[in-house]
Amino acid sequence: GAGVSQTPSNKVTEKGKYVELRCDPISGHTALYWYRQSLGQGPEFLIYFQGTGAADDSGLPNDRFFAVRPEGSVSTLKIQRTERGDSAVYLCASSLMGTDNEQFFGPGTRLTVL
Amino acid sequence: GNSVTQMEGPVTLSEEAFLTINCTYTATGYPSLFWYVQYPGEGLQLLLKATKADDKGSNKGFEATYRKETTSFHLEKGSVQVSDSAVYFCALLLSYNTDKLIFGTGTRLQVFP
Repeated sequence: GAGVSQTPSNKVTEKGKYVELRCDPISGHTALYWYRQSLGQGPEFLIYFQGTGAADDSGLPNDRFFAVRPEGSVSTLKIQRTERGDSAVYLCASSLMGTDNEQFFGPGTRLTVL
Repeated sequence: GNSVTQMEGPVTLSEEAFLTINCTYTATGYPSLFWYVQYPGEGLQLLLKATKADDKGSNKGFEATYRKETTSFHLEKGSVQVSDSAVYFCALLLSYNTDKLIFGTGTRLQVFP
């Protein structure tokens, strides 16, 4: 069956530009998570959706970052006025119900800000 | 705060050697503990987990025991293979804290024939 998919797999942009990263979770998974993984580090939590609503966005680093999940399935992570420090691999994960269920990770989007 | 500390890599072993990757945690409350693995060119995969003290998680010959008294969840395997070469991440999850995983920095394992 299909796993979590993320597009694009790679994104190169210039400082100051706007980018959108897309995540397609496993069908039927109500919980969706975004993490960011910098080189040589473990993934760091950004935001968690339960259904359509952001249940916890405490990991978003600043107001340039925003994420939506309008129909409770696909999610888009949006980054405005990108900075070189935003360069990282952005990971999406989904789980069946949240609370202690296994999170299945996508392959990630590698974002490079020049 | 809540955090995970892993031994630094890379860990370099010969095939069939014994593996230990240390992981300790700091958490308020009673976390669930996980080991995730990232093979070259692939996404993160759950390797094993334990949800309460003294539980042992196991999978693919890997084991880890949830030790509350030492706040540890060390990963072990009795005989590693070249195909085990990957980056291993220890993580915790606090269910009251909206299920976000808190990861360690990862430990790269390289197994040579």
